[in-house]
Amino acid sequence: GAGVSQSPSNKVTEKGKDVELRCDPISGHTALYWYRQSLGQGLEFLIYFQGNSAPDKSGLPSDRFSAERTGGSVSTLTIQRTQQEDSAVYLCASSLVGVPASSYEQYFGPGTRLTVT
Amino acid sequence: AQSVTQLDSQVPVFEEAPVELRCNYSSSVSVYLFWYVQYPNQGLQLLLKYLSGSTLVKGINGFEAEFNKSQTSFHLRKPSVHISDTAEYFCAVSDRGRNYQLIWGAGTKLIIKP
Repeated sequence: GAGVSQSPSNKVTEKGKDVELRCDPISGHTALYWYRQSLGQGLEFLIYFQGNSAPDKSGLPSDRFSAERTGGSVSTLTIQRTQQEDSAVYLCASSLVGVPASSYEQYFGPGTRLTVT
Repeated sequence: AQSVTQLDSQVPVFEEAPVELRCNYSSSVSVYLFWYVQYPNQGLQLLLKYLSGSTLVKGINGFEAEFNKSQTSFHLRKPSVHISDTAEYFCAVSDRGRNYQLIWGAGTKLIIKP
C-alpha cells in the first residue's frame, strides 16, 4: 500500500512568515511522529500523536511550533514567525502502536526541506 | 535519559571490502534498537531492527548487526560493500517509556572508494 507522504517536498519562506507542513500517514496507523533533521542538531523528536491527541509535545522547540491531527489521519505542523534556525528537513513517521512487534517500527515519509531566508 | 553514540562521523572503505559502523547506547533497561539508512536526497529507510531473541539480526541489502547487552552496543556490519551502499546510516533506540519515540545517533556517512 501507499507509504507515508509529506507535502510540500521543499519550502522556501522569508523570515517571519508562517508555514504549514503536511503529513499523510499510512492508513490505519494510529501513532504519528514528527522529527526534525538539521545540520547542527541531527535528528530530534518534536511531537507524538496517538489518534488525534498529542500526549507528548516535549520536543517542540518553542511556542512558535504547533501541530494537529484530524480524523486520526492527516497531521499538520505549523511554524509561526519562522526564523533562520528553523531551516531543516522535517520528517514524519507513522506506526501501528499497540500491536506487538509492530509498535516499534516507524515508517518515514520523504520529508519537507524548509529553508528560511 | 537514553542516548545513542555513533563513534564515527565518516567511514571511508574500498568497494568490496568489509565494513563495521559502530553504535553504543546508554540505557541499561530493555531496549529496541534500529538501524536506518538515508540515501542522498532521500528519506529514512529501515535496514534492520532488534526487538528480542537472537542477538544477530539480518537486514536488507546484506547488512547485519549484533546486539551486545554487556557492551551496550549494536554495531552494523557488511562483509562486502558496493558503491550503492554510499549513504548515511543512523542508529536509533526506541524509548519504551516515551511512546516509543526514537532517540537517534548523530549518523555515520559511509563513503565507498572505487
